[in-house]
Amino acid sequence: QVKLVQSEAEVKKPGSSVKLSCKTSGGTFSSHAINWVRQTPGQGLEWMGAILPMFDATEYSSRFKGRLTITADESTTTAYLELGSLTSDDTALYYCARAFDHGTAKPTQFASWGQGTRVTVS
Amino acid sequence: EIVLTQSPDTLSLSPGERATLFCRASQSVLSSYVAWYQQKPGQSPRLLIYGTYTRATGIPDRFSGSESETDFTLTISKVEAEDSAVYYCQQYVNTPGTFGQGSKLEIK
Repeated sequence: QVKLVQSEAEVKKPGSSVKLSCKTSGGTFSSHAINWVRQTPGQGLEWMGAILPMFDATEYSSRFKGRLTITADESTTTAYLELGSLTSDDTALYYCARAFDHGTAKPTQFASWGQGTRVTVS
Repeated sequence: EIVLTQSPDTLSLSPGERATLFCRASQSVLSSYVAWYQQKPGQSPRLLIYGTYTRATGIPDRFSGSESETDFTLTISKVEAEDSAVYYCQQYVNTPGTFGQGSKLEIK
């Protein structure tokens, strides 16, 4: 049983950065990419990017390039999302989700999701 | 970026009725790369169907996926009260994977 537990809610000022974590347990951490998907009332579900820990390979949506960094720590089976230059448009519920397919950081279907972390930019 | 448009926005049905939800892509999407999710209030999305047709682990067989010339379809053969949720389609044929805007299923 794969479980993903995300960090607590954050409130940030415009222009600042936020770093979220996603601790995984069960399954094989290294070979399945951890993806980040955010949800807003206006934009719905939006894929942001992913990391495949075994190769430290990342894929990013071009919408966030330049201010999004996704990292992973295999020793703690934890993935991180860092988003900079925050604006009110970044107010959202951020999910991490484990890739169904192994060996790729490209988008795939997501069978396991974290509980979500709410980020408020105000 | 591939845009997915779902219809209807809202569907209101009585228990036992059949629900049909549609997802249309702005470009050709291979059936291997389409999934459906269910999201209930306050919960994370739950994978129902992937590869257009394959049910995820633990998903009841009243849920099924299919495709036609222009649409991908999620069908719930006989809806139950617990099926009240928002349903999203997703394509992952290329980066970025994208989601539809969602269809809300209400059970009367």
